[in-house]
Amino acid sequence: GEDVEQSLFLSVREGDSSVINCTYTDSSSTYLYWYKQEPGAGLQLLTYIFSNMDMKQDQRLTVLLNKKDKHLSLRIADTQTGDSAIYFCAESNENRDDKIIFGKGTRLHILP
Amino acid sequence: EPEVTQTPSHQVTQMGQEVILRCVPISNHLYFYWYRQILGQKVEFLVSFYNNEISEKSEIFDDQFSVERPDGSNFTLKIRSTKLEDSAMYFCASSRDRGFTDTQYFGPGTRLTVL
Repeated sequence: GEDVEQSLFLSVREGDSSVINCTYTDSSSTYLYWYKQEPGAGLQLLTYIFSNMDMKQDQRLTVLLNKKDKHLSLRIADTQTGDSAIYFCAESNENRDDKIIFGKGTRLHILP
Repeated sequence: EPEVTQTPSHQVTQMGQEVILRCVPISNHLYFYWYRQILGQKVEFLVSFYNNEISEKSEIFDDQFSVERPDGSNFTLKIRSTKLEDSAMYFCASSRDRGFTDTQYFGPGTRLTVL
């Protein structure tokens, strides 16, 4: 079945760039998403990309999609302490109706 | 900015009891969803709901689960007879259009603890 995989932890120094990687198995994915979950909070949609795009930039966030390798990444420039959270990669497929398939989430830890 | 709200934030119940988790989706959204996240596991899709009926459900969503939109604003998930393995964070989500064409906005979740 469809699957989304991502590493569980990432530590980055404040001010550096963070790069969170994700791979997925569904070659027919329509949308790919990055959600952020802060402690005790819900899933906040950070950004998403259509599967026919290679890149999307939104302020400090850059999403890169390599459809051939089924690889998605999220780059956070100038990482701040407020970026400390769990980041979930997710995908949806128009042939699979409504459900979003999530990865396990990458916990981003910011070092001073 | 409009947001999805959920109540309660934390529910503790005894095994075998019924629980109802409540959600208020974003007001102009038409599609509603429940997901759950068992501690340390992935966020898993449970069910989607549109036009007062279930449009899709996962294998997790068995007969002990039901959903309802009792009025114009609330969307509820009922678990009839809770089991220990139902302990999880339950997220409600809503979207204006079908889940694959429009983004789903999530609530803060209800943590369900079954003792």
